Amino acid sequence: DIQMTQSPSSLSASVGDRVTITCRASQGISNYLAWFQQKPGKAPKSLIYAASSLQSGVPSQFSGSGSGTDFTLTISSLQPEDFATYYCQQYKSYPFTFGPGTKVDIK
Amino acid sequence: QVQLVESGGGVVQPGKSLRLSCAASGFTFNSYGMHWVRQAPGKGLEWVAIISYDGSDKYYADSVKGRFTISRDNSKNTLYLQMNSLRAEDTAVYYCAKEHYYDSSAYLEYWGQGTLATVSS
Repeated sequence: DIQMTQSPSSLSASVGDRVTITCRASQGISNYLAWFQQKPGKAPKSLIYAASSLQSGVPSQFSGSGSGTDFTLTISSLQPEDFATYYCQQYKSYPFTFGPGTKVDIK
Repeated sequence: QVQLVESGGGVVQPGKSLRLSCAASGFTFNSYGMHWVRQAPGKGLEWVAIISYDGSDKYYADSVKGRFTISRDNSKNTLYLQMNSLRAEDTAVYYCAKEHYYDSSAYLEYWGQGTLATVSS
């Protein structure tokens, strides 16, 4: 199975800050990497697919990059509604696997 | 718009069974693979199973293989998860998710709101 790791596990930031979350796969997954946002008590929401493609309707302050084993999710200017937990997930092969999540909260 | 509505969760004793359903609308159900993903209370996301658009291919996480069965009824636009021999560690919110095929693979595009299954004596 492909293992996914994320760093940091949590971070505190202010509105307007630039935030970067890193995700690493235990083996190469090309660009078969997705990012999800989850707010408390809600279902995950797709943000990014194919490592860098923005899901329809997702604000442009979100961007993704990377290929192979190392990926990043960047929020260019953190908004109040962006405080949430973020998960990366590989879909190169079954079983699909998720990173442990990064919680972004208010400083 | 795409809607996925899970149901069937509840409290069940260890060793017993539960069947979850996911009613789909807003898209051509019989054209898309469908997944189940779960989340234990306070924990991260765990992929459970996938069924192809026509039901011919299925894959499972090792943690549920041999106990859970994914199925679908395309005439009813409904996805199922039959969960047998339930354990306390199966306690979780179960989400169904629609995949979208892109660039020779498929990612999880839309998710339902989830249904909670609690395994407890």
